[in-house]
Amino acid sequence: AQSVTQPDIHITVSEGASLELRCNYSYGATPYLFWYVQSPGQGLQLLLKYFSGDTLVQGIKGFEAEFKRSQSSFNLRKPSVHWSDAAEYFCAVGPGRVTTSGTYKYIFGTGTRLKVLA
Amino acid sequence: DSGVTQTPKHLITATGQRVTLRCSPRSGDLSVYWYQQSLDQGLQFLIQYYNGEERAKGNILERFSAQQFPDLHSELNLSSLELGDSALYFCASSVALAGDGIQYFGAGTRLSVL
Repeated sequence: AQSVTQPDIHITVSEGASLELRCNYSYGATPYLFWYVQSPGQGLQLLLKYFSGDTLVQGIKGFEAEFKRSQSSFNLRKPSVHWSDAAEYFCAVGPGRVTTSGTYKYIFGTGTRLKVLA
Repeated sequence: DSGVTQTPKHLITATGQRVTLRCSPRSGDLSVYWYQQSLDQGLQFLIQYYNGEERAKGNILERFSAQQFPDLHSELNLSSLELGDSALYFCASSVALAGDGIQYFGAGTRLSVL
């Protein structure tokens, strides 16, 4: 079965500390992988995506993620967290291509809520 | 700003009622997706439309329906509302058949059923 697991429901870090949010997936084919961020009262915003090629991808706001096929993981990292990074983070997977019928379904993880201490 | 517009932002109604949520996709996007986000279920895919046609169904209840109009805006209709339908409903759009499949999300409609 296809699934995305974000094992940490809540994470608290101090401002300036490093951050790693975990994401593991189970998917039959080579997936496209995404990280989204949801700030309070806002919709989801794409942070970064992995389609192919270099397994370390850079995103917006100083985030990066590393795809590890052997571990079925796509962990999100940031070297130094800012107070404005407090939000909920969602990992998602999608099929490796848009189907001929135009279907493109995401499977989302349950999210990790990040709290940043001043 | 993602370019996806959802109205209304907030909706308060009573059990048994019917409501309509509206979504305008980004200019040029042909595909619209609806999601429900609740505390106990997380983010759940409901349904996808592409250029006016239903393309994929997720965990959408029979009391819920959607459509996409010729101008590509979409509406999600929720009827016989129950307390458990209280949630944040998101619309997303993408180019779908062309492009990289990235979805752009609106800010959501918060539905409160009292």
